[in-house]
Amino acid sequence: GESVGLHLPTLSVQEGDNSIINCAYSNSASDYFIWYKQESGKGPQFIIDIRSNMDKRQGQRVTVLLNKTVKHLSLQIAATQPGDSAVYFCAAKGGSNYKLTFGKGTLLTVNP
Amino acid sequence: DGGITQSPKYLFRKEGQNVTLSCEQNLNHDAMYWYRQDPGQGLRLIYYSQIVNDFQKGDIAEGYSVSREKKESFPLTVTSAQKNPTAFYLCASSTRSGTSARETQYFGPGTRLLVL
Repeated sequence: GESVGLHLPTLSVQEGDNSIINCAYSNSASDYFIWYKQESGKGPQFIIDIRSNMDKRQGQRVTVLLNKTVKHLSLQIAATQPGDSAVYFCAAKGGSNYKLTFGKGTLLTVNP
Repeated sequence: DGGITQSPKYLFRKEGQNVTLSCEQNLNHDAMYWYRQDPGQGLRLIYYSQIVNDFQKGDIAEGYSVSREKKESFPLTVTSAQKNPTAFYLCASSTRSGTSARETQYFGPGTRLLVL
């Protein structure tokens, strides 16, 4: 079955730096990917998504890159702010399967 | 405001007791989901429903039950058969229930269940 993993469980950056959070997936049939942000004690918040027919998608201060060859996606946050401190996790949806498979998350800490 | 609401925010369960977690959405979404979140683990699917009066088991359905009598509501009951119920429970919904749709799941604020 599908598995989704994040490369680093924790990431610490300085305010103003760019952050990169990585995620790998196992199912080559996965065709849709989502990044979520979860603050402590709250539900996950949708950040950005990307379909498998795209390599890159940009939002406000965030960019998602998808490399289907190596089954890897990343979330880039520009000019990281203290309010960006949270757990970030990716989710993958496999082909015709309705189901989302979630990674365990990376805790991003932004130091002032 | 459109969104997903879950209540209560905290819930305490006594041994042998069934408890019900509420999930309501006013997004007009067809599909609804229940997940369990434990520290250090990814979200695990308990049950999902693609349409009213229909639902399917997810990966960890044992000890849980659901109903879907209305499009807006998808309550989860944690039964006494669930021996390790302490967790953060998240409800989600999505726009389309078709298996080929790339639907985004949107989450509620969660309910933390604790055992007394």
